[in-house]
Amino acid sequence: AQKITQTQPGMFVQEKEAVTLDCTYDTSDPSYGLFWYKQPSSGEMIFLIYQGSYDQQNATEGRYSLNFQKARKSANLVISASQLGDSAMYFCAMREEGNTGGFKTIFGAGTRLFVKA
Amino acid sequence: KAGVTQTPRYLIKTRGQQVTLSCSPISGHRSVSWYQQTPGQGLQFLFEYFSETQRNKGNFPGRFSGRQFSNSRSEMNVSTLELGDSALYLCASSLVLGGQETQYFGPGTRLLVL
Repeated sequence: AQKITQTQPGMFVQEKEAVTLDCTYDTSDPSYGLFWYKQPSSGEMIFLIYQGSYDQQNATEGRYSLNFQKARKSANLVISASQLGDSAMYFCAMREEGNTGGFKTIFGAGTRLFVKA
Repeated sequence: KAGVTQTPRYLIKTRGQQVTLSCSPISGHRSVSWYQQTPGQGLQFLFEYFSETQRNKGNFPGRFSGRQFSNSRSEMNVSTLELGDSALYLCASSLVLGGQETQYFGPGTRLLVL
């Protein structure tokens, strides 16, 4: 069963505008963590933001904020004031406890963001 | 503070060979996870190590194995390589501090199996 769903394969945004990348998740574990990563064409995975399932407030990191709606099981990434350098693949991921007590991270299929000048 | 390092960065092997990839986590991070990224399957979890113990394993065949050393460095081994093992292999180290978790990835090893 798909646990992380990113419904937007590709998105375009005008430079300096805000953009929202969608992510929904599915878990029965009450304790989990949600991440967003950026992957430029170079291949490196860049950590952007983290939201714990018990966090009351939405996480923010500079121009990045996570719109966490627990009841809807959604964790959308909002990028404000888009820059050309934001063009990349963006992955939503969920870290949950595995069957043997450790943790595993499950990734969505990703959304490719194109920022237009 | 140095980031996560992975060696080698690029590797070309032939079918049937075996390969060992190395990952050095960020200093102080004790958890190391490995992922395989392919265009068709996306990012898939391989396994996670913590204090030299494998805590979790993804749905990969037994040809994929790993270990972690006392200094938290980790190695991943793939035996009897198949063409489908061609992928970007990413290692990540993580730390939980004050309820906030951070997980940082290395640059990856690009493996091509011919």
